[in-house]
Amino acid sequence: QKEVEQNSGPLSVPEGAIASLNCTYSDRGSQSFFWYRQYSGKSPELIMFIYSNGDKEDGRFTAQLNKASQYVSLLIRDSQPSDSATYLCAVHQGGSEKLVFGKGTKLTVNP
Amino acid sequence: GAVVSQHPSRVICKSGTSVKIECRSLDFQATTMFWYRQFPKQSLMLMATSNEGSKATYEQGVEKDKFLINHASLTLSTLTVTSAHPEDSSFYICSATFESYEQYFGPGTRLTVT
Repeated sequence: QKEVEQNSGPLSVPEGAIASLNCTYSDRGSQSFFWYRQYSGKSPELIMFIYSNGDKEDGRFTAQLNKASQYVSLLIRDSQPSDSATYLCAVHQGGSEKLVFGKGTKLTVNP
Repeated sequence: GAVVSQHPSRVICKSGTSVKIECRSLDFQATTMFWYRQFPKQSLMLMATSNEGSKATYEQGVEKDKFLINHASLTLSTLTVTSAHPEDSSFYICSATFESYEQYFGPGTRLTVT
């Protein structure tokens, strides 16, 4: 069973701080990795995707991928209360079109 | 770009009736659409994968005769929950892809079966 693991949290950070969200995956054949944000009662929204080892930055968000360690993370700089949501890590399952989702980490940014 | 819509956003039906949910890709042609279900405080659970013009592929444990999926065109997939029961009450979300692995999600449909 191919798995994606996330710390369920809740992760609580003060406004302006860096929030660090982590994810590990079991399928070494995985090539594509995604971070989604889901507000309560809403559907997931794609924030970032990363395919290559290293860092990828987009505004306040940085995704980091280490395929050797089977680890992907999302950093949110200058966290805002509006960033409070559940963050889902998703991994493209090699050999199919499906994404395998982690259970999500709930982030709370305190004003 | 990459906008996916769902209709209805919310539906309440009586036990034993059927409900149809539509998923449309508005600004792109979706090669594949996916249907998920999400219970409160739980993660997404993939129900089925749908390709235009072919039969849907259901995940293990999902009854294909209960959850009918039709993918008639590259912009429309429908999920019909047949003979709905209260335990089918959930948040149903579709997503769509176009020649890549990024999935773009619709806003979801909240189904309540009374």
